[in-house]
Amino acid sequence: DIQLTQSPSFLSASVGDRVTITCRASRGISSYLAWYQQKPGKAPKLLIYAASTLQSGVPSRFSGSGSGTEFTLTISSLQPEDFATYYCQQLSSYPITFGQGTRLEIK
Amino acid sequence: EVQLVESGGGLVQPGGSLRLSCAASGFTFSDHYMDWVRQAPGKGLEWVARTRNKANSYSTEYAASVKGRFTISRDDSKNSLYLQMNSLKTEDTAVYYCARGAVGTRDFDYWGQGTLVTVSS
Repeated sequence: DIQLTQSPSFLSASVGDRVTITCRASRGISSYLAWYQQKPGKAPKLLIYAASTLQSGVPSRFSGSGSGTEFTLTISSLQPEDFATYYCQQLSSYPITFGQGTRLEIK
Repeated sequence: EVQLVESGGGLVQPGGSLRLSCAASGFTFSDHYMDWVRQAPGKGLEWVARTRNKANSYSTEYAASVKGRFTISRDDSKNSLYLQMNSLKTEDTAVYYCARGAVGTRDFDYWGQGTLVTVSS
């Protein structure tokens, strides 16, 4: 199975900050990586697919990059509604796996 | 508008069975792969199972933790997805989400609101 390790697991930041979350895969997954945002009590929401493509309707302050084994999700200027938990997901091979999550909280 | 609505969750004893349903609307259901994902209380996301579309023979994939106990199926005539869960264990307790696989990339572009399954005596 492909393991995905996110760092950090917890992040405290302020409105307006630029933040970056990293996702490392245990072996190469090309660009078969997606990022999701989940708020408490809600279903996850797709933000980025194919490592760097912004899902329709997602604000442009979100961006993704990387290929192979290292990927990043960047939020250029944090807004109050961005405080949530973020997950990466690989779709290169079965089983599909998720990272353990990064909880982003208000400082 | 794409909608996915899960139902069928509830309290079941260990060793018991439960069948989840997901009613889809607002898109051509038969074109899409469909998945189940679960989330145990306070934990992260865990992919459970996938069914491909008719063009791919409705073939299926499972997580090792549920293989042999859970069965994913679909009825394109009813725009519905199912998850038959047998031999349930306490560790199957979770919110179960159905999710639509995007055409092409197969990531999960729409999710239902989830249904809670509690396995407890």
